[in-house]
Amino acid sequence: KAGVTQTPRYLIKTRGQQVTLSCSPISGHRSVSWYQQTPGQGLQFLFEYFSETQRNKGNFPGRFSGRQFSNSRSEMNVSTLELGDSALYLCASSFVVRGKGTDTQYFGPGTRLTVL
Amino acid sequence: AQSVAQPEDQVNVAEGNPLTVKCTYSVSGNPYLFWYVQYPNRGLQFLLKYITGDNLVKGSYGFEAEFNKSQTSFHLKKPSALVSDSALYFCAVSSGTYKYIFGTGTRLKVLA
Repeated sequence: KAGVTQTPRYLIKTRGQQVTLSCSPISGHRSVSWYQQTPGQGLQFLFEYFSETQRNKGNFPGRFSGRQFSNSRSEMNVSTLELGDSALYLCASSFVVRGKGTDTQYFGPGTRLTVL
Repeated sequence: AQSVAQPEDQVNVAEGNPLTVKCTYSVSGNPYLFWYVQYPNRGLQFLLKYITGDNLVKGSYGFEAEFNKSQTSFHLKKPSALVSDSALYFCAVSSGTYKYIFGTGTRLKVLA
């Protein structure tokens, strides 16, 4: 089974620009989560999508948004980029057990975003 | 509020010695508990999980973890550490709210 793929792997943008990152989950997984990882803040949860609906959301400003398509692929968008948005953005997909919780998350390799 | 704590930012251990990376959690209900490992410039890799059953869970690369309900802990252990085990380790919990909560991570350094 193919793993979680993320594109692009590396991205360099300048302040004020916007960026779109893409994530293709493992086949059959309907839950997709996004995380931001920085040396100073660690692993921060951005949001989770399930069946095209945002189900959980972290504490990030509205500049960070996402969506999920009917094939479970997901994109996240960051508008008006700031220097502090430089980070590794990780996507993870998983099965969900109704009433129990989210099972093992499988992570992609990440997109390294650098904002100049 | 639900939370996961990894009290140690870094753990140093000599190669060949046993290692323990600590994790405690606070969540209602019966959670799923996970350990992940991250090598430099890579995504997180799943190591092991506890859902139900035997409190001692065995995972990849010789790692195991013990679920202790009374102490709400899920410590990661390995009998004999390898230099190649040096990495960043994350504990995580998921419950009926479907939220996945990660700890802050513990950097494991195995010294030759």
